[in-house]
Amino acid sequence: QSALTQPASVSGSPGQSITISCTGTSSDVGSYNLVSWYQQHPGKAPKLMIYEVSKRPSGVSNRFSGSKSGNTASLTISGLQAEDEADYYCCSYAGSSTEFGGGTKLTVL
Amino acid sequence: QVQLQESGPGLVKPSETLSLTCTVSGGSISSYYWSWIRQPPGKGLEWIGYIYYSGSTNYNPSLKSRVTISVDTSKNQFSLKLSSVTAADTAVYYCARGSYDILTGYYNAYMDVWGKGTTVTVSS
Repeated sequence: QSALTQPASVSGSPGQSITISCTGTSSDVGSYNLVSWYQQHPGKAPKLMIYEVSKRPSGVSNRFSGSKSGNTASLTISGLQAEDEADYYCCSYAGSSTEFGGGTKLTVL
Repeated sequence: QVQLQESGPGLVKPSETLSLTCTVSGGSISSYYWSWIRQPPGKGLEWIGYIYYSGSTNYNPSLKSRVTISVDTSKNQFSLKLSSVTAADTAVYYCARGSYDILTGYYNAYMDVWGKGTTVTVSS
């Protein structure tokens, strides 16, 4: 059982926007602005998409954005494209540890 | 650019020790927090722990009693040892570079460079 809770799956049509939530507690997401998001295609290593809640690494499309409210962080993907179909994981600092969410499978219809 | 490559046995017997090495190329291992993450078949990511280039470590509390991460700066490598393995330790093991706050030096808990991963199966 993962420390951070994500929906198992989300879906959307090309061009639409979707949001993936990541719910933690006051000991992790709620206490630190150190939430990151990773995209993982089948058989590939995870790729950093968002760090420190809302910052984008160089080379990541501005269609990806992150936010946080209380104990819940969110990843929003706008203008969905076929290549966005993948698993997405949130991650948070938790004081003495680092925690991942269980992952969300994004299907582009 | 910095690249990471995991290496080690793909098959380990139950109760034995899993040993993996990550070689860092294209950059120095000095600075940064060097991490291990694993992913059991069909499941999500699990953080194992990290080592700072100076040698300080931090481990997942659920694995702490069995994990040792070490660093060899002369070889630009860091390593993972996981003892007393069982079938539940079967997974793809990734090494990754963990970032830090430039002003404070504190761990920022995000991994910006990953290896391709190596599959380790625990079976007799």
